[in-house]
Amino acid sequence: SQQGEEDPQALSIQEGENATMNCSYKTSINNLQWYRQNSGRGLVHLILIRSNEREKHSGRLRVTLDTSKKSSSLLITASRAADTASYFCAPSNDMRFGAGTRLTVKP
Amino acid sequence: DGGITQSPKYLFRKEGQNVTLSCEQNLNHDAMYWYRQDPGQGLRLIYYSQIVNDFQKGDIAEGYSVSREKKESFPLTVTSAQKNPTAFYLCASSIRDITMRGHTGELFFGEGSRLTVL
Repeated sequence: SQQGEEDPQALSIQEGENATMNCSYKTSINNLQWYRQNSGRGLVHLILIRSNEREKHSGRLRVTLDTSKKSSSLLITASRAADTASYFCAPSNDMRFGAGTRLTVKP
Repeated sequence: DGGITQSPKYLFRKEGQNVTLSCEQNLNHDAMYWYRQDPGQGLRLIYYSQIVNDFQKGDIAEGYSVSREKKESFPLTVTSAQKNPTAFYLCASSIRDITMRGHTGELFFGEGSRLTVL
């Protein structure tokens, strides 16, 4: 099993600020994915970054990948109250998840 | 629209009763998964199925059972042997076995079923 471990466990910021959460994993990967879970809902796929990519953008999301350090980060810029959710990383190709980062964005 | 449907959304059960949670997908995915999530926690893998008529235990299979008679359906039965069944249950699917090389590993999730034992 090679589930990712997210850090911090919880993050609270003000609307408009940037939110950064990190993911560490243990073995080599082909890609890494980030998911979002709103309270009481299923997980939704946000973004995939391949092992030969160092950075990827999607709207207000920026994902980085450092395969030498076996780590990834997810940056949400100009956060909104609607970004309040839990965020999970998923190193390929594993079906297991860590505890996630619970992000709270205060209006 | 294509997707995964879980039902019921909320379910109450008396102690000692078995209950079955439904998971149906019309994505033509080979693989399906069941997870349990406790408040403020991550997802724990209960069972998974890589293909019809085959399934494997995950990390917390005790007290649960599944079947995979059709590609579209992967029901989960929470038996009376499960000591703490109150939880949020999530079903997911992927195009093929998530561990296969060349597979991006993207999982598609249902909206979950919340089971409460009274």
